[in-house]
Amino acid sequence: QSALTQPASVSGSPGQSITISCTGTNSDVGGYDYVSWYQQHPGNAPKLMIYDVNNRPSGVSYRFSGSKSGNTASLTISGLQAEDEADYYCSSYSSSSTDVVFGGGTKLTVL
Amino acid sequence: QVQLVQSGAEVKKPGASVKVSCKTSGYTFTGFYIHWVRQAPGQGLQWMGWINPNSGGTNHAQKFQGWVTMTRDTSIRTAYMELSRPGSDDTAVYYCARSPSGGVGNFDYWGQGTLVTVSS
Repeated sequence: QSALTQPASVSGSPGQSITISCTGTNSDVGGYDYVSWYQQHPGNAPKLMIYDVNNRPSGVSYRFSGSKSGNTASLTISGLQAEDEADYYCSSYSSSSTDVVFGGGTKLTVL
Repeated sequence: QVQLVQSGAEVKKPGASVKVSCKTSGYTFTGFYIHWVRQAPGQGLQWMGWINPNSGGTNHAQKFQGWVTMTRDTSIRTAYMELSRPGSDDTAVYYCARSPSGGVGNFDYWGQGTLVTVSS
């Protein structure tokens, strides 16, 4: 069982927006602004999409954005494209664990 | 450009230790932490721990304390992760990734992954 809770799957049509949630506690997501999001295509290593809740690394599309409210962080993808179909993982610093915890992952299907 | 290149796939019998390497280039090796993350077949990501290449200090997730060893050789800019006494449930792809510090995540560059298969 993962420390952070994500929906197992989400779906959307091309051009739509979707949001993936990541729920923790005040010992991790709610207590620190150290939430990251990763995209993973089958057979590939994960790719950093968002760090420190809402920052995009250089080269990541503006269509990806992050936010946080209380103990829940969210990743929003606007203008869905076929290439966005992948697994997405959140992570956070955790003071009750020994540093980093991941969510269980969310499979995004572009219909 | 920043690169993390891992050693090749391994097949081990239960109880036989295995060591995975992560050779880095394109940045100051001692300026970033190296984390290890694993992914069992069809499963999610599991954080294992980190090593500070500057000091050699380490921090392990509780599940991996006492049987996973993280080391580094600064002369060849390489980090290592050794599993002692692995069982079949340790079959997974093992990734190294760098971050600016210990607990903040922000794994901006990853190795390609090393498949470790533990089977009798």
